[in-house]
Amino acid sequence: AQKITQTQPGMFVQEKEAVTLDCTYDTSDPSYGLFWYKQPSSGEMIFLIYQGSYDQQNATEGRYSLNFQKARKSANLVISASQLGDSAMYFCAMRGVSGGGADGLTFGKGTHLIIQP
Amino acid sequence: KAGVTQTPRYLIKTRGQQVTLSCSPISGHRSVSWYQQTPGQGLQFLFEYFSETQRNKGNFPGRFSGRQFSNSRSEMNVSTLELGDSALYLCASRVAAGEGTEAFFGQGTRLTVV
Repeated sequence: AQKITQTQPGMFVQEKEAVTLDCTYDTSDPSYGLFWYKQPSSGEMIFLIYQGSYDQQNATEGRYSLNFQKARKSANLVISASQLGDSAMYFCAMRGVSGGGADGLTFGKGTHLIIQP
Repeated sequence: KAGVTQTPRYLIKTRGQQVTLSCSPISGHRSVSWYQQTPGQGLQFLFEYFSETQRNKGNFPGRFSGRQFSNSRSEMNVSTLELGDSALYLCASRVAAGEGTEAFFGQGTRLTVV
């Protein structure tokens, strides 16, 4: 079984500041993928970034980076230079190999990020 | 390239009825999965289809079923609707199975059961 914990239900951040969204996970799978998604009020889940458990380097995608600390089982999302459009729910998710790669994503409860001007 | 398309966007049904939701994946994607999102339970995996075969299923009652067609389009059916089935139903497509392939989601179907 897999578990994702996001301990920050909500965050307020000033525009242009960097923000770190916390995510810890638990799994017994030897190989797994970690994902971050953004969900604006419209409801669509937008894929942001992916980190494989065997990747040596932290993933980066534009203003998004993933601070992956395997020993601590954490996969924090860092957004640099936050913008008003970053206001949304953010979900950390993972998928393991035990289901042959066909497991569904396990999601955390999410963090509601609000960027203030 | 068109994204994942879900229809309808909004639906109101009466308790006891059944409902069918549709999902068209991104062109070339052969894997389609379904999720239920509620304020209380969060996002929960329903099932995943790959090449018309159900590959995995979440912990939901048999009232929830799905299928995938040869063109990768998928439908989800819920029979004997209950008030607790009110939720946002999200469909996601992937190019292939595997723990590392990212899933791209549609905008969801918001189902209200009255």
